[in-house]
Amino acid sequence: AQSVTQPDIHITVSEGASLELRCNYSYGATPYLFWYVQSPGQGLQLLLKYFSGDTLVQGIKGFEAEFKRSQSSFNLRKPSVHWSDAAEYFCAVATPILTGGGNKLTFGTGTQLKVEL
Amino acid sequence: EPEVTQTPSHQVTQMGQEVILRCVPISNHLYFYWYRQILGQKVEFLVSFYNNEISEKSEIFDDQFSVERPDGSNFTLKIRSTKLEDSAMYFCASSEGQTQYFGAGTRLSVL
Repeated sequence: AQSVTQPDIHITVSEGASLELRCNYSYGATPYLFWYVQSPGQGLQLLLKYFSGDTLVQGIKGFEAEFKRSQSSFNLRKPSVHWSDAAEYFCAVATPILTGGGNKLTFGTGTQLKVEL
Repeated sequence: EPEVTQTPSHQVTQMGQEVILRCVPISNHLYFYWYRQILGQKVEFLVSFYNNEISEKSEIFDDQFSVERPDGSNFTLKIRSTKLEDSAMYFCASSEGQTQYFGAGTRLSVL
């Protein structure tokens, strides 16, 4: 069965520092991978996605992620963190729904990012 | 920018009562979903809906739950007889293909 592991529950970085959030997935076929961000009181906002092709994908707010099949990883990075990036970040893998199309997402437990000024 | 809208943002109910959570998906989307997040736990898939029927549901989605698209714009989740353990944040999502867009959620508190 598919699964997603986010090993870091909490991460604290200083504003301006670089950031890497880890995500490992378990999925038998070529995965569709996503990163979502949840700010307090907000919904899940899509940061970026990987379906195929270039393994380095760019997203909104200056985020990028790299798909590494050999490591079953899809780590999220940002070169310089801003205080407004403080939020919870979720990695997810999509499983196709065979009857009717679409997919269902399996999420990791999330990483809470704190940014120190 | 089109977005998924959920109402209410917070619903408080007594155990055993019926609740209906409402969602307005993005207008040209074809696939609709409900997820829930119990406090401190993962976001979990509940159900997917396409072409006016359920296409997949999780083991969480038992007979107490139902979904409906009563008109061309709304998508609802009904819990017939709420339990304490139904307290959670419920997210609606929609997609036209593989990418799901989420609403801000409804926090359901069952007392």
